[in-house]
Amino acid sequence: GQQVMQIPQYQHVQEGEDFTTYCNSSTTLSNIQWYKQRPGGHPVFLIQLVKSGEVKKQKRLTFQFGEAKKNSSLHITATQTTDVGTYFCAETQGGSEKLVFGKGTKLTVNP
Amino acid sequence: DAGVTQSPTHLIKTRGQQVTLRCSPKSGHDTVSWYQQALGQGPQFIFQYYEEEERQRGNFPDRFSGHQFPNYSSELNVNALLLGDSALYLCASSSTGPAEAFFGQGTRLTVV
Repeated sequence: GQQVMQIPQYQHVQEGEDFTTYCNSSTTLSNIQWYKQRPGGHPVFLIQLVKSGEVKKQKRLTFQFGEAKKNSSLHITATQTTDVGTYFCAETQGGSEKLVFGKGTKLTVNP
Repeated sequence: DAGVTQSPTHLIKTRGQQVTLRCSPKSGHDTVSWYQQALGQGPQFIFQYYEEEERQRGNFPDRFSGHQFPNYSSELNVNALLLGDSALYLCASSSTGPAEAFFGQGTRLTVV
């Protein structure tokens, strides 16, 4: 069945360091979405990637979709304490609106 | 715009009991999905409602059932509660198609 693998599971950085989380699938993805969940909060949509090789930026966040549409990454430049939380990738397939989430990468930032 | 609202925020139930959780979608959204999130895990899809019908279902037993009303609000019912049903239950609304999902703050269910 559908499955997205996300690595690493945990990442602890010093404030100002960069951070990257990776999402991999065994099947070709029609699109990939990224969500952030703050501690005690709910998932909040960050971005959706649809095209092969797509790169999108949101301030310090850079999102990439692999050329083969089987992997994606989220990179944060110069982390801040406000970046703390768990970052999830989620895939949909074939026009389905069902989201299949990875297990997430929990980011902690030391001030 | 109130966004997605869920009630109650917290709930404690005894094993074997039944529970009903409620969700009001974001204004303009017609599709409601329910997810279960265990501690330290990603949300797991339970089912989705559109036009008052269950459109898709995840790998959850029949003890989990739902309903969508004409105003697009939705309920999630769980019968014969097990300790393993303890989790954060998230409702997400979206417009038709693989679009951005807006999540409510969730209902934290504890089964004792």
